[in-house]
Amino acid sequence: GEDVEQSLFLSVREGDSSVINCTYTDSSSTYLYWYKQEPGAGLQLLTYIFSNMDMKQDQRLTVLLNKKDKHLSLRIADTQTGDSAIYFCAESLNTGTASKLTFGTGTRLQVTL
Amino acid sequence: GAVVSQHPSWVICKSGTSVKIECRSLDFQATTMFWYRQFPKQSLMLMATSNEGSKATYEQGVEKDKFLINHASLTLSTLTVTSAHPEDSSFYICSVIILGNEQFFGPGTRLTVL
Repeated sequence: GEDVEQSLFLSVREGDSSVINCTYTDSSSTYLYWYKQEPGAGLQLLTYIFSNMDMKQDQRLTVLLNKKDKHLSLRIADTQTGDSAIYFCAESLNTGTASKLTFGTGTRLQVTL
Repeated sequence: GAVVSQHPSWVICKSGTSVKIECRSLDFQATTMFWYRQFPKQSLMLMATSNEGSKATYEQGVEKDKFLINHASLTLSTLTVTSAHPEDSSFYICSVIILGNEQFFGPGTRLTVL
């Protein structure tokens, strides 16, 4: 079955690095995603990683994938107050048609001064 | 990235009435759109997959007669919550797949049923 879990809350100081973790159970996942949701808004795709990759870096964001342990992480360098939001990881299965996403429980990131 | 809009952004209705929510893909044609619902402080749950020109595919536990989905064109899908009740109050979000495996999400519609 599909089950994606995240810790509920993370608080960091402005300027520090944030690391948000995610575990998933479906080893057939082909893509893993990180989305950001600000209050009352939809989801913004931050980055994604293909399952045969170990790492992907995009400016302040670094995604690490440990496929053996089914563990995904998102590191935000130099965290800013504007990064305060809920972060969702999601996994998808490519069945050849439109892929369905299974979302994690979401991690609320609070950035303090 | 693709722009996806939803209308309305916020709606309040009386119990027993029906509410229609629109999801539009503004930049691209989309043969497939997804509808999700999100309860407060919870994750997104996929409700159904909307396919242009054919019937929607509903997830287990989602009542197709209650949540009517119409995908009549390549840029518009609608979700109608029929005979809404307070337990239907939620945040409804649509998404569009444009390129490969990237899903672009709408801003969401907050439904409050009194």
